[in-house]
Amino acid sequence: DTAVSQTPKYLVTQMGNDKSIKCEQNLGHDTMYWYKQDSKKFLKIMFSYNNKELIINETVPNRFSPKSPDKAHLNLHINSLELGDSAVYFCASSHTGGANTGELFFGEGSRLTVL
Amino acid sequence: AQSVTQLGSHVSVSEGALVLLRCNYSSSVPPYLFWYVQYPNQGLQLLLKYTSAATLVKGINDFEAEFKKSETSFHLTKPSAHMSDAAEYFCAVSPRSMNTGFQKLVFGTGTRLLVSP
Repeated sequence: DTAVSQTPKYLVTQMGNDKSIKCEQNLGHDTMYWYKQDSKKFLKIMFSYNNKELIINETVPNRFSPKSPDKAHLNLHINSLELGDSAVYFCASSHTGGANTGELFFGEGSRLTVL
Repeated sequence: AQSVTQLGSHVSVSEGALVLLRCNYSSSVPPYLFWYVQYPNQGLQLLLKYTSAATLVKGINDFEAEFKKSETSFHLTKPSAHMSDAAEYFCAVSPRSMNTGFQKLVFGTGTRLLVSP
């Protein structure tokens, strides 16, 4: 009964390929996020969706395309992968509005390695 | 723009010693502040948060942090380190407009806590 689950946990691929990472949360939250953690552990927000609508897009290359089919799912598709895309990608979710406690709930991460 | 600075990328302590991880924030108005912990190969989990007038905040596993507006600091402490505390710790800041629902959390660069026997 994992709260925020991501698949796959590990992904190794060649430059130029296209890959997707899926995220699902069963917490009833209506806001979901993608964060990127680089090799130096620096965490930076990429996208945020609220009720399937894109709210935050932090100047991420348009090779990255998030998709939210419903408020419990937020997938990340990456086209034409580059070496610099190698990182750990974290999905997270939270409440909004009056139920928002300020806490984000994170998945365990998806480690992407581009060769 | 809001930001946090964590002093020291690594902190080493002996088991049983005091843990002190430093975090200073930059914000024109008092923000919401958080400490998250990341154990190896896991996602982040919330340790504690400052969102109200109570400046001393207690979290899980005997961690606590004190919000000091005059010093723009939110340092994390624990009286006695355990081996299981070895992890990466992140300070984070968020604007106070939380009722908009859009949590634009900005993280510090993290501090790795090493605990020796």
